[in-house]
Amino acid sequence: QVQLVESGGGVVQPGRSLRLSCAASGFTFSNYGMHWVRQAPGKGLEWVAAIWYDGTNKYYEDSVKGRFSISRDNSKNTLYLQMNSLRAEDTAVYYCGRDAQLVPGLYYCDYWGRGTLVTVSS
Amino acid sequence: DIVMTQSPDSLAVSLGERATINCKSSQSVLYSSNNKNYLAWYQQKPGQPPKLLVYWASTRVSGVPDRFSGSGSGTDFTLTISSLQAEDVAVYYCHQYYSSPLTFGGGTKVEI
Repeated sequence: QVQLVESGGGVVQPGRSLRLSCAASGFTFSNYGMHWVRQAPGKGLEWVAAIWYDGTNKYYEDSVKGRFSISRDNSKNTLYLQMNSLRAEDTAVYYCGRDAQLVPGLYYCDYWGRGTLVTVSS
Repeated sequence: DIVMTQSPDSLAVSLGERATINCKSSQSVLYSSNNKNYLAWYQQKPGQPPKLLVYWASTRVSGVPDRFSGSGSGTDFTLTISSLQAEDVAVYYCHQYYSSPLTFGGGTKVEI
């Protein structure tokens, strides 16, 4: 069965960096695009970034452009989110999600991990 | 960016009654070349990740009860729960994947 397990969250000071990982299993990871979506405490869902199945195309939400970087290692079945220059407003649960369509492009997520909490605070 | 506006923010429905959630996009999410609406609906219960219910605006995910249905086209969409069950208490989100940045509606909380 499809499993996505996020890790790497924690408490970090403003301006510092953090790298999140998402370990995938139960499907052929290299065939699927992947997404990061976050949810601030008590708030709604916010799409953060996405990457094509082969890593050739990457997309970002405006507020994280230039600070966050999405990448993947298909040999390790792992998705990453490198987060630099963190701000208090980046505090959220970060979910990874599998893009549902087996064609290039951005679509909806059909499977989600349980998320990892990132708290940016001094 | 495409702004997704959901209404109402919350609604209380009696068990067995109909719940209707609306979602409006700031521009059309209908892709003319394939006549598909790039709109999905998710359900999220407390402490859980979102669960996909509907995609392409009206295609229900396998295993999702048929009391859930999605409709609409262009800029106006609706998620209907025909006969609310206790396990349907959750927050529901619409989501456009027509263009980047992908965006979600603000959510609608459904209560008994």
